[in-house]
Amino acid sequence: QQPVQSPQAVILREGEDAVINCSSSKALYSVHWYRQKHGEAPVFLMILLKGGEQKGHEKISASFNEKKQQSSLYLTASQLSYSGTYFCGTEGISGSGNTGKLIFGQGTTLQVKP
Amino acid sequence: DAGVIQSPRHEVTEMGQEVTLRCKPISGHNSLFWYRQTMMRGLELLIYFNNNVPIDDSGMPEDRFSAKMPNASFSTLKIQPSEPRDSAVYFCASSSGQGVTLSNQPQHFGDGTRLSIL
Repeated sequence: QQPVQSPQAVILREGEDAVINCSSSKALYSVHWYRQKHGEAPVFLMILLKGGEQKGHEKISASFNEKKQQSSLYLTASQLSYSGTYFCGTEGISGSGNTGKLIFGQGTTLQVKP
Repeated sequence: DAGVIQSPRHEVTEMGQEVTLRCKPISGHNSLFWYRQTMMRGLELLIYFNNNVPIDDSGMPEDRFSAKMPNASFSTLKIQPSEPRDSAVYFCASSSGQGVTLSNQPQHFGDGTRLSIL
């Protein structure tokens, strides 16, 4: 089951903040976040494992609420280079622990304007 | 270090023809993934290998699609016969780790093959 991302699209001015949400109907083992610029490959941002940890990557951070089966990506003081489509990839739980594969959300398009 | 290498970058062919996409994973990575990306369906996992063995091919759309990984440094995705609805960008990705450690490792994507079936 594909996770649901919200919002579908967001437009920001440089320096503004944004939050992208990823929600799953199934229990999750991990959540991965990727950014893809137009015509390019997805690029890894960060991984969050079950346990509710929060991670940071420059001015981009994320949280994972295992109980709610949700993750959020936080972009603070956005820069022009943050523009692109953000995908969450969710990994489910299987009998042996984790499924080992990701199911990606439909993406959130972020546009940062000067 | 070289990243994931895919070839060709672009492929245009006529319906009914056989198409073969190629992927060279990052050296030392033992997991390899094939994805298809379209506007309608987004980024879909087709199949993934661990130590050259196919682990999950539930995403392969139909029997026209097949994938192989004869050794640790090479994989192919073949479509025979091809149809216009197969037009998409096909990505190959690789990661290190296996089994329960797989989720700790990022996937590194190749630049993709843009496939157009006329």
